[in-house]
Amino acid sequence: GAVVSQHPSWVICKSGTSVKIECRSLDFQATTMFWYRQFPKQSLMLMATSNEGSKATYEQGVEKDKFLINHASLTLSTLTVTSAHPEDSSFYICSARDERGALDEQFFGPGTRLTVL
Amino acid sequence: GQNIDQPTEMTATEGAIVQINCTYQTSGFNGLFWYQQHAGEAPTFLSYNVLDGLEEKGRFSSFLSRSKGYSYLLLKELQMKDSASYLCAVYTGGFKTIFGAGTRLFVKA
Repeated sequence: GAVVSQHPSWVICKSGTSVKIECRSLDFQATTMFWYRQFPKQSLMLMATSNEGSKATYEQGVEKDKFLINHASLTLSTLTVTSAHPEDSSFYICSARDERGALDEQFFGPGTRLTVL
Repeated sequence: GQNIDQPTEMTATEGAIVQINCTYQTSGFNGLFWYQQHAGEAPTFLSYNVLDGLEEKGRFSSFLSRSKGYSYLLLKELQMKDSASYLCAVYTGGFKTIFGAGTRLFVKA
């Protein structure tokens, strides 16, 4: 199967600090990964598309200087929330696109719950 | 614009059948996903429809009508563990998937 991991699963930080979240595809290579944010009782909102070896594509309204994305290898993408503030508290979920099968399926990581005090 | 609509909440009884509807208006369409998401967890894949018609997979079935911009997820023989949010998502192409707000299903005994 296709497994995606995220680390850490939860993090609490002080306002103004930076937090890095890792997303790894464990048993397949992913040239494309996606970062989503989900607020309570709301849907997943796509933040950006992470492409291996190139710059990420950000959705409208997402600050690229605040949410830094690095997709340095075919199995790892990182999201860094810089100068985090309480309004950045959310559930961050990554997914990786599995290109091996006929179905262009995304596999989701378990998510990272960020709480900014 | 991109718009995906589904009911906010539904309640059904254990052992019953429930249908969760989804309508969509998107700038592109390559397929429609249904995901199940339990609170605090990531979504898990349930189904993917590309062509019109009904796809059956065990207790879960999904239907698509592309001309009507409409899909539904049918859950049979409901179990308590089916209590979760069900997300309708449209694959618009360019590797981009747009999610609806989700339908919270409560299964009662």
